[in-house]
Amino acid sequence: DGGITQSPKYLFRKEGQNVTLSCEQNLNHDAMYWYRQDPGQGLRLIYYSQIVNDFQKGDIAEGYSVSREKKESFPLTVTSAQKNPTAFYLCATRQGRTEAFFGQGTRLTVV
Amino acid sequence: KQEVTQIPAALSVPEGENLVLNCSFTDSAIYNLQWFRQDPGKGLTSLLLIQSSQREQTSGRLNASLDKSSGRSTLYIAASQPGDSATYLCAVMEEYGNKLVFGAGTILRVKS
Repeated sequence: DGGITQSPKYLFRKEGQNVTLSCEQNLNHDAMYWYRQDPGQGLRLIYYSQIVNDFQKGDIAEGYSVSREKKESFPLTVTSAQKNPTAFYLCATRQGRTEAFFGQGTRLTVV
Repeated sequence: KQEVTQIPAALSVPEGENLVLNCSFTDSAIYNLQWFRQDPGKGLTSLLLIQSSQREQTSGRLNASLDKSSGRSTLYIAASQPGDSATYLCAVMEEYGNKLVFGAGTILRVKS
């Protein structure tokens, strides 16, 4: 079954805690992206990676970190430095500059 | 900096009506434009991708047009159905970059 898998679907974070969101793909796409979606706003780019072991900051990278050790995986860590992390997080992949595909998202809530 | 605007923010129509969703972008130097659908609490589903050299793309009851020079795209939905109710987002890929820039979306409700 091809596609993009994000886990978990729901995640709760306590104050001062780091949490990691998983994104796995079997589409063999080179590029992977993390977006944040807040109510009434468009998607905002957090980080992206064009190839393994390389990634670039997007528009709102502060308080987040990523790694790209394998082509299939692009985990996002939300650190305690991110003061307002409650949001819907979406992972996307793309091969070259063609159509982008998205996972089903992770909803993160601070408790 | 590229900015994408979608109008209207929300739209409610009776079933069977034809409708148009609008997307505008400030920088005409784009590589392509993509329309997506998002159901509540779900990820994005790609509907149509238009390359900058194309004028339109069609898929079933959906037709997307692109006027790159004026910075506009429209998504036309024919004979709307309640199942079309969702948020529709457009996104542009910059000509000299690898980022997708999104609009805030149009929330569509089709009433039966």
